[in-house]
Order: sequence, then C-alpha cells, then structure tokens
Amino acid sequence: KNEVEQSPQNLTAQEGEFITINCSYSVGISALHWLQQHPGGGIVSLFMLSSGKKKHGRLIATINIQEKHSSLHITASHPRDSAVYICAGPAYSGAGSYQLTFGKGTKLSVIP
Amino acid sequence: EAQVTQNPRYLITVTGKKLTVTCSQNMNHEYMSWYRQDPGLGLRQIYYSMNVEVTDKGDVPEGYKVSRKEKRNFPLILESPSPNQTSLYFCASSLVSGGYYNEQFFGPGTRLTVL
Repeated sequence: KNEVEQSPQNLTAQEGEFITINCSYSVGISALHWLQQHPGGGIVSLFMLSSGKKKHGRLIATINIQEKHSSLHITASHPRDSAVYICAGPAYSGAGSYQLTFGKGTKLSVIP
Repeated sequence: EAQVTQNPRYLITVTGKKLTVTCSQNMNHEYMSWYRQDPGLGLRQIYYSMNVEVTDKGDVPEGYKVSRKEKRNFPLILESPSPNQTSLYFCASSLVSGGYYNEQFFGPGTRLTVL
C-alpha cells in the first residue's frame, strides 16, 4: 500500500517568503494530487500532475516519478495562503487503482 | 454552478440512531467518494464508487454503508452510529479518464457528533 509522507508538518513564514512543501510516496503511481484546505474547512484541488511541473499563479507543483517525490512551491507568500496543504495519490500502484490515500497535511501560516 | 452538495452540514445525534448524509453532484462525474477527517489522522477514504451500482471499500469502511443508484447521488449511511464515528465528513467527485480519476471536487463537509 502506498504510504504518503509530507514535510514539514507545520510551517510559519513571513509574508513574501518562498515556501516549499514536500511529499514523498512509497509505490509507483501514475499521478499525484495537491489539495488546499482553508481555515474554514473547505477543500479545493490545486493540482493533479503525473510528470514535470505545473504552475497556477504563485503556486508551482513538481513531481519526480522516479524518485517518488513531489513538491509544492509558493512564491511571494501572502497571509491568504495560510491553509493546510495535503498531497494525495493512489493507494496502490498499477492501472485501475481508484482508492486514494493522503498525507497528513502541512499547516502553513504566513505572517504579515 | 458546478458543485458537490452535502446535507446536513452539521449533525448531532445519539448512539444507535440511524442516519444518512446525502451527497449530490451536478457535473455528471463517474467517480464519487466519501472521506472522513480526524485530527492527527488526516483524510481517510471510507467508500468510493466508479459508476452506478459499483462501490468499493476504502481504508475505513467499517460501520458505514453506501449506495449508488443514480449517477449524481452517493449517500453515506450510518446504520448504528457510535461515538468513534464523530468526525468531519467530505464527499467528492471527479471525472475518470485514462483509467484514472481526475481533479477531485469536494463538498463543503458535514460535521457529525455522535453522543
């Protein structure tokens, strides 16, 4: 079964800092999700990526399938980026694996 | 507006009293899923469905039932709730392509307390 590990668990940054959140997983998978959970509890999907890099505004996600590692970067961080960031992937390797497993999340606080 | 709706949003109940949390999506998604979120444990999958009449267990299915009679609806049933099912529950849906689910759309969550 895929084990998804995130680091760090908690992160405090000053506004404007460059932030990196890491996610590693234990089995070969076809794609990985990055989610954002707002302080109010709602969850939105930020990225789904299977190779290389994706960018949306100030957020960049990268994945290295061979090394079983993904990173989420936030450039020019802002207090509104304060949230819990969660990575998720298939629970098992192989085609047709539809069960999903999650990292425990990284709580980011950006201070003005 | 494309969305996943859950009802109720908040529920306090007592041990043993059957309850149903509804989930509905208006995006014609094949894949629907239920998750629970607990402090220190993160999100865990309860059940998922690839299409109508097709459901599979996730990591923590004990004490829960689901059904998928229509594509848009995926209710979560607790036939005899217990205090350890106190949690925050999320429903989600996504398209399926290339043998894999795509971006997940989450409902707003249901906070359940079982006394």
